[in-house]
Order: sequence, then C-alpha cells, then structure tokens
Amino acid sequence: RKEVEQDPGPFNVPEGATVAFNCTYSNSASQSFFWYRQDCRKEPKLLMSVYSSGNEDGRFTAQLNRASQYISLLIRDSKLSDSATYLCVVNMLPGGGADGLTFGKGTHLIIQP
Amino acid sequence: DTEVTQTPKHLVMGMTNKKSLKCEQHMGHRAMYWYKQKAKKPPELMFVYSYEKLSINESVPSRFSPECPNSSLLNLHLHALQPEDSALYLCASSTRPGLAGDEQYFGPGTRLKVS
Repeated sequence: RKEVEQDPGPFNVPEGATVAFNCTYSNSASQSFFWYRQDCRKEPKLLMSVYSSGNEDGRFTAQLNRASQYISLLIRDSKLSDSATYLCVVNMLPGGGADGLTFGKGTHLIIQP
Repeated sequence: DTEVTQTPKHLVMGMTNKKSLKCEQHMGHRAMYWYKQKAKKPPELMFVYSYEKLSINESVPSRFSPECPNSSLLNLHLHALQPEDSALYLCASSTRPGLAGDEQYFGPGTRLKVS
C-alpha cells in the first residue's frame, strides 16, 4: 500500500475556476501534514502546513480529516501562475520533528487562459 | 529569510570521479536533510542530520557519504557513482528536531549527471 496517495492528473482548469485536490495517507500516527508546490526543474516550495482545524492563506484552503486520513487543498480564483505540481507531504513518524518527509507523487495542475 | 543554498547547480561526473555537493543555511536550523529526486518522481529521503549528528540513513549505498561539519553546513560526498544515480539532489533544513509540525525548506538542488 502506498504511503501517500494523490491523483497525478493532469487537472486542466480554466483561469478563475476553483480546483480541489485530495490526498490520503496510510500511517494513522502521522503528525505533520503539508502542501508543497513544485515548478518544472525547480525545488519544492512550502505552500502551507495543514492543521486539523483547517487553515486558509489567501486563495488557498487546506483541510485535514484524521479519521479518514485525508488531506485536501482548495484553490479559488485560479491564476495562470498556479500551474505547477502540488505535492501532498506527510511526516510519517509520530512525534514529528527531524524526520524525513514522505511525498505523494504530486498532482499536476494546468491553468488555461 | 528562508534560504538554503546549494553548490554546484549542475555537475557532470564520471563513474571513477570523487566529488562533493554542498549545502548551507544561516537560519539557525538544527535539522538538515538530503533528498534525491528522479525525473517525474517525488523527492525521496536519503539522510537526516539532527543537531549535527546523523539520525536517519535510508539504506543509501555507501558511495554516498554525508557529512555535517557544523550547524550551517551539510555535504554529500560522492564516489564511484553509477549512471542510475543521475538525479536532482535536494538539501532541506528545518528549525528544530523533535518539533511537531516543523516545516522543511528546500535548496534549489544540484542536478547531477553520471556518465
């Protein structure tokens, strides 16, 4: 069973639309959850951490459902610059901290003009 | 400023060469990481340093040898690599080992080609 699963896409979405990505993780003891974005041939950049209470940063909203082991990312009013690969990332070991991150394979998003 | 720097940006080496990748951060972070990323794949963890001590080695072949000379620097020494080791090597750092929810910040990576 894969540890962090995402739909690879691609998602082709018109500019201005709302798009949602989901991700599931296998280790119920996982403590830390993140969304990163990665542009072609660049490093992953932290988009936002994901908290149980849900959190919002501008056009981006992240949700965590621990019971279902499910993480989501919602992008409102999508821009051309949102085109990227979105990586669902989990710190798999309990206690968080200096442990390596486990990445999903990423969801490729293409915003079309 | 969440900046992690890596040198060189690109590296081509033969299978008998010895080279080193360097990573530096001046954010006072006490955990540093090496990841390997192949094309169209997610990053995979190689090593974790916590307070300058190696805490995780994800069964990486001995031709990769990490070193953490001080809290700001992380090196990856390469020797007798194989063509399948060609990849993007990413360094990351985070604030404090043991801190739940600690966010990792990535450097731009070194794109390595072994021929």
